[in-house]
Amino acid sequence: EVQLVQSGAEVKKPGESLKISCKGSGYSFTSYWIGWVRQMPGKGLEWMGIIYPGDSDTRYSPSFQGQVTISADKSISTAYLQWSSLKASDTAMYYCARSRDYGSGRRYFDYWGQGTLVTVSS
Amino acid sequence: DIQMTQSPSTLSASVGDRVTITCRASQSISSWLAWYQQKPGKAPKLLIYKASSLESGVPSRFSGSGSGTEFTLTISSLQPDDFATYYCQQYNSYPEFGQGTKVEIK
Repeated sequence: EVQLVQSGAEVKKPGESLKISCKGSGYSFTSYWIGWVRQMPGKGLEWMGIIYPGDSDTRYSPSFQGQVTISADKSISTAYLQWSSLKASDTAMYYCARSRDYGSGRRYFDYWGQGTLVTVSS
Repeated sequence: DIQMTQSPSTLSASVGDRVTITCRASQSISSWLAWYQQKPGKAPKLLIYKASSLESGVPSRFSGSGSGTEFTLTISSLQPDDFATYYCQQYNSYPEFGQGTKVEIK
């Protein structure tokens, strides 16, 4: 059974750093792209970026380029999303999701993690 | 950027109704479109990919159609479990989601 299990909820202060995780199991972790999706409170889904754990090839949405860093450790089948300096506007639910890839960057998401709620407040 | 616009934003319907949600792309995306269902407090769930292909395990009352710039998600007979928010996502270029359509009880 394919599973993506994300790390637990976080409460942080503005300016702090944070790294959340997404552990894959039940499939070949290095053979599928893993994406990250933001959902702000009461709002829709926003694609942030995606990584191929096999070689750490990473792509970012222009809206999130430079704002976050996506990485992966294939030895433990885990992808990460990190911030160096959080802002209150980073308060959101963050989902990781496995991607099916049709080449030329054509990807949709077939399995999703349960989400990690990040709250940034002073 | 390819913009995705869903309509309506909210839809009130009753159990047994036929429900149709529309998603329009700002430029042609061929058939590179997926549909997801999201219930409150839960992760999205894939329903349809490549505009009309039903994901394994998804009930056959869900169907998708369209190509180019206009797409529809149809629920043939709305069930109590179907009250949720639905999102389209284009993947002709980097992923872009529609703003969502909430299906609520009439």
